[in-house]
Amino acid sequence: QKEVEQNSGPLSVPEGAIASLNCTYSDRGSQSFFWYRQYSGKSPELIMFIYSNGDKEDGRFTAQLNKASQYVSLLIRDSQPSDSATYLCAVRDYGGATNKLIFGTGTLLAVQP
Amino acid sequence: NAGVTQTPKFRILKIGQSMTLQCAQDMNHNYMYWYRQDPGMGLKLIYYSVGAGITDKGEVPNGYNVSRSTTEYFPLRLELAAPSQTSVYFCASIGTSGDNEQFFGPGTRLTVL
Repeated sequence: QKEVEQNSGPLSVPEGAIASLNCTYSDRGSQSFFWYRQYSGKSPELIMFIYSNGDKEDGRFTAQLNKASQYVSLLIRDSQPSDSATYLCAVRDYGGATNKLIFGTGTLLAVQP
Repeated sequence: NAGVTQTPKFRILKIGQSMTLQCAQDMNHNYMYWYRQDPGMGLKLIYYSVGAGITDKGEVPNGYNVSRSTTEYFPLRLELAAPSQTSVYFCASIGTSGDNEQFFGPGTRLTVL
């Protein structure tokens, strides 16, 4: 059973701080990793994806991947109250050309003004 | 483009009733997915389709059925509704195997009493 694990939180950070969200995965063969943001009552939306070991930056967001340790993280710099949401980590299931994603349970982030 | 649309937005069913959740996409995407999301949980894959006429089970298919007669539509059928099927249902699509972003519909909130 392929699994993606996340701390459910809530993770509370003050406005302007760095929020660090972590995710581990069980399948060592996984190649593609995604972070989705989900506001309460809304559908998930893609923030970032990462394939290669190391860091990938996009604005205030940085995704970090360490395949040897099987973890992927998301850093949000200068956190804003509008960043308050649930962040879902997802791993693409590479078995077959199905594009299936395996999601973690999500981490609830609360940014305090 | 309307993207991925779902109807209805909300529905209350009695135990034993049946219904069809509608999903449509106008992006000519080959891959479509049905997920359910229980409170505080991540997304669980119910069924998916890699093209018209091709469907397969996901992680939690029991109590559901799907069909995919055209590229655009991917309805999810609930037979003999049970309280355990109370959840939010999301439909998603992605274009090709190399694409990164699954586009999600707005969701259907279903309650079975």
